[in-house]
Amino acid sequence: ILNVEQSPQSLHVQEGDSTNFTCSFPSSNFYALHWYRWETAKSPEALFVMTLNGDEKKKGRISATLNTKEGYSYLYIKGSQPEDSATYLCAFIQGNDMRFGAGTRLTVKP
Amino acid sequence: DVKVTQSSRYLVKRTGEKVFLECVQDMDHENMFWYRQDPGLGLRLIYFSYDVKMKEKGDIPEGYSVSREKKERFSLILESASTNQTSMYLCASSFRLPGLAGDGRGTQYFGPGTRLLVL
Repeated sequence: ILNVEQSPQSLHVQEGDSTNFTCSFPSSNFYALHWYRWETAKSPEALFVMTLNGDEKKKGRISATLNTKEGYSYLYIKGSQPEDSATYLCAFIQGNDMRFGAGTRLTVKP
Repeated sequence: DVKVTQSSRYLVKRTGEKVFLECVQDMDHENMFWYRQDPGLGLRLIYFSYDVKMKEKGDIPEGYSVSREKKERFSLILESASTNQTSMYLCASSFRLPGLAGDGRGTQYFGPGTRLLVL
């Protein structure tokens, strides 16, 4: 059974703060890691697909890094805005098995 | 833009009722998935389908069945709803299965979810 852990479970920050959270996964037989953003009352949307150790991806103020050898990925948000409030999900892929973490719920206060 | 729609946003049913959740995607994706999401848990795969009339059990198929008669439509059926099936149900589709495409083609596109309450 693949175990994908996300921490923290929830996070409250002030507008303008930078923040980061973690997705931990098994370090063996890595294939890919996906990050999704799920805003309340909307559909989860893909942010990043990461496949190589050392990968860094960026979309606007959001970036992600990947360490497959130690089994973690970090998601960073620079200068958080209220519209960044959402649940951030990571999904670890091993073979055809895709496992989601429970998510980090981010609330950005104006 | 990929669009995945689900037939209901909210649904209230009684124990023992047969429940149909419908999902439609408009991007000609081969693969479709049904998940449930419960507080504190990750999305858990119920069933997926990689082609019309083809289906595979996910991690928690008990109490559910699925139907894929057309490529764009994937239905989740609760044969006899029980209170422990109260949950958020999410449908997704993808061009490729996750393990076959690390380049983004395994990305899943989700519907908005159906929040089901079984009384």
